[in-house]
Order: sequence, then structure tokens, then C-alpha cells
Amino acid sequence: EVQLVQSGAEMRKPGQSLKISCKGSGYGFSNYWIGWVRQVAGKGLEWIGIIYPGDSDTRYSPSFQGHVTISADESLTTAFLQWTSLRASDTAIYYCARRGVANGSYTDFDTWGQGTLVTVSS
Amino acid sequence: ETVMTQSPATLSVSPGERVTLSCRASRSVSVSLAWYQQKPGQSPRLLIYAASSRAAGVPARFSGSGSGTEFRLSISGLQSEDFGIFYCQQYNNWPRTFGQGTRVEIK
Repeated sequence: EVQLVQSGAEMRKPGQSLKISCKGSGYGFSNYWIGWVRQVAGKGLEWIGIIYPGDSDTRYSPSFQGHVTISADESLTTAFLQWTSLRASDTAIYYCARRGVANGSYTDFDTWGQGTLVTVSS
Repeated sequence: ETVMTQSPATLSVSPGERVTLSCRASRSVSVSLAWYQQKPGQSPRLLIYAASSRAAGVPARFSGSGSGTEFRLSISGLQSEDFGIFYCQQYNNWPRTFGQGTRVEIK
């Protein structure tokens, strides 16, 4: 069974750093893109960025570029999303999701993690 | 970036009815369009990819259509479990972008 399991809820103060994780299992981790999506409470989905673990090719939305870093460790079959200086406006649920392939076509996000709640407050 | 605009914002529908949700892209995304359903407290679930292909396990009452800039998600014979917020997402252009969502409520 394909699964993405995310790390638990985190609470930080503004200006602090944070790294959350997303562990993939049940498939060839290196061969599928993994993306990150933000959801502020009561709001819609925002596409943050995506990484291909096999060669670390990474793309970001301009809205998030420079503020977050996406990485992946093939040996751990885990993708990461990190901040060096959090803001209160980063408070949200963060989902990781796998970009799937079916019948020769990308499906985009066919498998999602359970979400990680990040709270940034002084 | 490619702006995705969904309409309507909210739908209130009786079980058994047919529902059609719309999604418009600010520039062509070919058929690289996905639809997701999200229920309260849950992660989104992929319903449709490549504009019209149902994801594994998705009931046949869900169907997608369109290409270029205009897309539709239809639910025929709405069931009580089909409530939630439905999002479209394009994956043809960087950065990928989501629509703002359509909330479907069951009467």
C-alpha cells in the first residue's frame, strides 16, 4: 500500500526554524515527485513546491521561494519542508503528496499525507 | 502564474440530483487538470486526473471534461457522502496552482 506519513504537530515562535518530514512507503520513492501544499485554517489549498528525489530536481512557487526549502533523503525515503525563520503567517496545515502516474499520464497528487499542523505564535 | 477560477463558490444540492462544477484557467493547461475532494478534517482525495480520467476507486458517478481553459466536474446522482470542498488544480504550467474551491452541501 502506498503511504505518506508525516511528522507530528509543531509549535514555534516567530523567527525560529523548523523542519517537517514526510515518509513514503509502498512504492519506489526515488521515482516519484513529492510535493508540498499549504492550507491555512478555513482556506483553500496552496501549492508550495515539488521535488524529484531521484535527482533532487526541485521547483517552487514564487510565493514561497526563498522562504522554504524542500529536500529529500532517498536512503530514508523521506521528504522534508523547512524554514529558517518562521512567521506567524506560516501557521497552517502542511500536506505532502505524491505525484502519481497512471496509464502513461501524470495524475498529479494521487496520495496524500495526513497533514502536519504548524503553529507559529509568540 | 496560471490563475484557476472555480464557480460557483457554494452549491446546496439534494441527494439524487446532478451537479456540475466549473473551473477556468487564465491560460491553457491542455488536459493537465486534476479534481480533488476534501472533507472536513481530512486530506484531499484525488478524483479526476488528465481532465477526464477517474482515479482508482472513484465511483463512476464522478466525471470530468474539458480542455484548454474550461473544465467541468459532474456528479450524477449525488449521494450523501459527496459533500465537501472540491478543488481543481492545473499541472501543465509552473507553478502548479489550485482553484479556490467549490463547497458542495447536501440539502
